[in-house]
Amino acid sequence: RKEVEQDPGPFNVPEGATVAFNCTYSNSASQSFFWYRQDCRKEPKLLMSVYSSGNEDGRFTAQLNRASQYISLLIRDSKLSDSATYLCVVNGPAYSGAGSYQLTFGKGTKLSVIP
Amino acid sequence: NAGVMQNPRHLVRRRGQEARLRCSPMKGHSHVYWYRQLPEEGLKFMVYLQKENIIDESGMPKERFSAEFPKEGPSILRIQQVVRGDSAAYFCASSQQLGHLFTDTQYFGPGTRLTVL
Repeated sequence: RKEVEQDPGPFNVPEGATVAFNCTYSNSASQSFFWYRQDCRKEPKLLMSVYSSGNEDGRFTAQLNRASQYISLLIRDSKLSDSATYLCVVNGPAYSGAGSYQLTFGKGTKLSVIP
Repeated sequence: NAGVMQNPRHLVRRRGQEARLRCSPMKGHSHVYWYRQLPEEGLKFMVYLQKENIIDESGMPKERFSAEFPKEGPSILRIQQVVRGDSAAYFCASSQQLGHLFTDTQYFGPGTRLTVL
């Protein structure tokens, strides 16, 4: 079972559409959760952290369900500039007793917003 | 305020040669992480370093790969006797002193794309 699993994509949506990304993680000891975006051949950039209470940043809304080990990202009124790969990222100990945490990345879901 | 810097951005090596990748963290950051992204794959953690210390190298291949973060100068990821399977994008990230805590944020450099011929 993959540690962080995302929708395989790609998602091709028209401008203005609402699109949802889903993610599940396997490590119940995970402590913090993020969505990053990665443009083609560029570095990942933090989009937003994800909190249990849910959080919103403009057109972006993230949700976390710890019981189900499930994370989501909703993009409303999508823009051409939203086209990128969206990475679900989980931070936690790689193994029991680990002295530090690691970021574990999903493979990402590619989004193409079409004019 | 410069971000995380990596060089070179592109590196071509022939099989059996050595590759040295450099990373300068953001100003004020003392924690460095290296990740590898194979084509069509997600980023995979390799190693976490603080100045003069390797904190976690559980993601590093056992042979040919090494990393350091000296007291002065950039962090170096060294790959000896490269093979074609080492071709990938190598990203460095840095964070502030809270590197071991789950709330810390990592900022990524632009990456080095290694091609092994």
